[in-house]
Amino acid sequence: AQSVTQPDIHITVSEGASLELRCNYSYGATPYLFWYVQSPGQGLQLLLKYFSGDTLVQGIKGFEAEFKRSQSSFNLRKPSVHWSDAAEYFCAVGGMKTSYDKVIFGPGTSLSVIP
Amino acid sequence: KAGVTQTPRYLIKTRGQQVTLSCSPISGHRSVSWYQQTPGQGLQFLFEYFSETQRNKGNFPGRFSGRQFSNSRSEMNVSTLELGDSALYLCASSQGQGNNEQFFGPGTRLTVL
Repeated sequence: AQSVTQPDIHITVSEGASLELRCNYSYGATPYLFWYVQSPGQGLQLLLKYFSGDTLVQGIKGFEAEFKRSQSSFNLRKPSVHWSDAAEYFCAVGGMKTSYDKVIFGPGTSLSVIP
Repeated sequence: KAGVTQTPRYLIKTRGQQVTLSCSPISGHRSVSWYQQTPGQGLQFLFEYFSETQRNKGNFPGRFSGRQFSNSRSEMNVSTLELGDSALYLCASSQGQGNNEQFFGPGTRLTVL
């Protein structure tokens, strides 16, 4: 079955510390992978996406993610977290020309940042 | 380019009432999708409209309906509201041509009392 798991429901880090949010997926075809961020009371904003090519993807706000096919993972990283990064983060997976009802979102990881 | 806009941002209704939510996509985008987001169920796909036609539908009862106009603006209607319909309703737009990147609006927070 196709699925996305984000093992960490909630993570707390200190400002300036590094961050890694985990995402694992199960998908039968070549996956298209996304990370979204949702600030309180806001919609989802796309941080980065992976379609093909270089497995290390750079996104906005200093985020990057690495696609590891052998581990079915697409972990999100940031070397130094800012207080404004506190938000909910969603990993999502789809396929080439997949209809949107087939795009699967993970349950989300809530990030808290300690000043 | 202006982003996806949703109106109203907040709504309070009572059980049994109906509600209409509106979404204006990014200019040039022809696909509009609707999602329901709740703490318990997460992000769930409601339906997608493309060129005024419903292209995909999620597993929601018939009380949830939608439509899209010729200018790509979309409305979502929920009839006979239930307490469980309280949620953040998100709209997302895209070019819809095999490109899965969606741009989300800020959502409409619906509270059913």
